[in-house]
Amino acid sequence: GQQVMQIPQYQHVQEGEDFTTYCNSSTTLSNIQWYKQRPGGHPVFLIQLVKSGEVKKQKRLTFQFGEAKKNSSLHITATQTTDVGTYFCAGQPLNDYKLSFGAGTTVTVRA
Amino acid sequence: GAVVSQHPSRVICKSGTSVKIECRSLDFQATTMFWYRQFPKQSLMLMATSNEGSKATYEQGVEKDKFLINHASLTLSTLTVTSAHPEDSSFYICSAGRANNQPQHFGDGTRLSIL
Repeated sequence: GQQVMQIPQYQHVQEGEDFTTYCNSSTTLSNIQWYKQRPGGHPVFLIQLVKSGEVKKQKRLTFQFGEAKKNSSLHITATQTTDVGTYFCAGQPLNDYKLSFGAGTTVTVRA
Repeated sequence: GAVVSQHPSRVICKSGTSVKIECRSLDFQATTMFWYRQFPKQSLMLMATSNEGSKATYEQGVEKDKFLINHASLTLSTLTVTSAHPEDSSFYICSAGRANNQPQHFGDGTRLSIL
């Protein structure tokens, strides 16, 4: 079945620094979605990427979808304490509606 | 505001008890809802797909007689953990989308603790 691999599992960042989390799917995706889960909370939708090579920005967050629609990345610039949480990518395969979640990248920030 | 409501948010009960969790889509009709389980510091694992008016589709390794799913209306799906045991303790989350290829809205989750 489809697998979505996400790295790194943990990211400890100095406030103000940048970091990137990466996702790779074993199969071509229809779309990829990104979610953020704060400690004790539930996943909250951030963005959906559909087109090959698509790049979307949300303030300090930049999301990319690979040309082959099998990989994606989330880059956060100038990390703030509000960025703390776990970021999950979730791939939706072709001809299926079920999402496969990556393992998540848990981000902690030191002031 | 929330578009998917999940209740209860927390349950603590004795081993052998059956627990029902409700998931409601508040401002849209959802023919399909999803139930996930999340263990501490782990990702979301899809348990089953709840289909309105028909049987749920369970993922491999998930016991359908253990985790009963009912999707009787377009806005409500329920998950019943039957005869729960300590190993069933987990965070259960439902989700629904306005369409199958649309982003999912997640409920707040139910933290289930079986003593």
